[in-house]
Amino acid sequence: NAGVTQTPKFRVLKTGQSMTLLCAQDMNHEYMYWYRQDPGMGLRLIHYSVGEGTTAKGEVPDGYNVSRLKKQNFLLGLESAAPSQTSVYFCASGQDYNSPLHFGNGTRLTVT
Amino acid sequence: LAKTTQPISMDSYEGQEVNITCSHNNIATNDYITWYQQFPSQGPRFIIQGYKTKVTNEVASLFIPADRKSSTLSLPRVSLSDTAVYYCLVVMDTGRRALTFGSGTRLQVQP
Repeated sequence: NAGVTQTPKFRVLKTGQSMTLLCAQDMNHEYMYWYRQDPGMGLRLIHYSVGEGTTAKGEVPDGYNVSRLKKQNFLLGLESAAPSQTSVYFCASGQDYNSPLHFGNGTRLTVT
Repeated sequence: LAKTTQPISMDSYEGQEVNITCSHNNIATNDYITWYQQFPSQGPRFIIQGYKTKVTNEVASLFIPADRKSSTLSLPRVSLSDTAVYYCLVVMDTGRRALTFGSGTRLQVQP
């Protein structure tokens, strides 16, 4: 039982490049979330999903897209990376919105 | 969306009890209050959750008054390893299910 797994762990992009971050959970959770955390700051919600095939915008969705084609996977895409997207990205999952969240170990992204 | 409000930082010494209060004036009727702990370079980790009155587990207690507009996380006899950032999380808009975190409280435990 791996819990929530994020890949990759680290990535460096040049401005304008694209990439996809993968979040996989093996707990059969319905809800999944993507957060970003800038140095010394709290977590900000990017996008979330309340079930397979659904997505919704969070606090800071601009510049990101997401997809939840399979229940266990939640993908976060950056179409044209910008230095302002340099951050640590965390994925989380929960059975419902009142259930405790399980977090991955994060992806550290640097955009130069 | 209205967020939670917590003190930015707190200092304590080993062996003391630490109480961190979170204000959440707009909590929805059916929603729980959940607290998380985050160490540097790690994802947040669940500590405790409650709906009303008092909840206790092996690591913490959670006190929630009758009006549920605030909650207090109590850490008994803290150690150096409790140095971390603590977040309270409340669903502010039940219809949207967006779980937004506040800024958290940075707890520094001194020897």
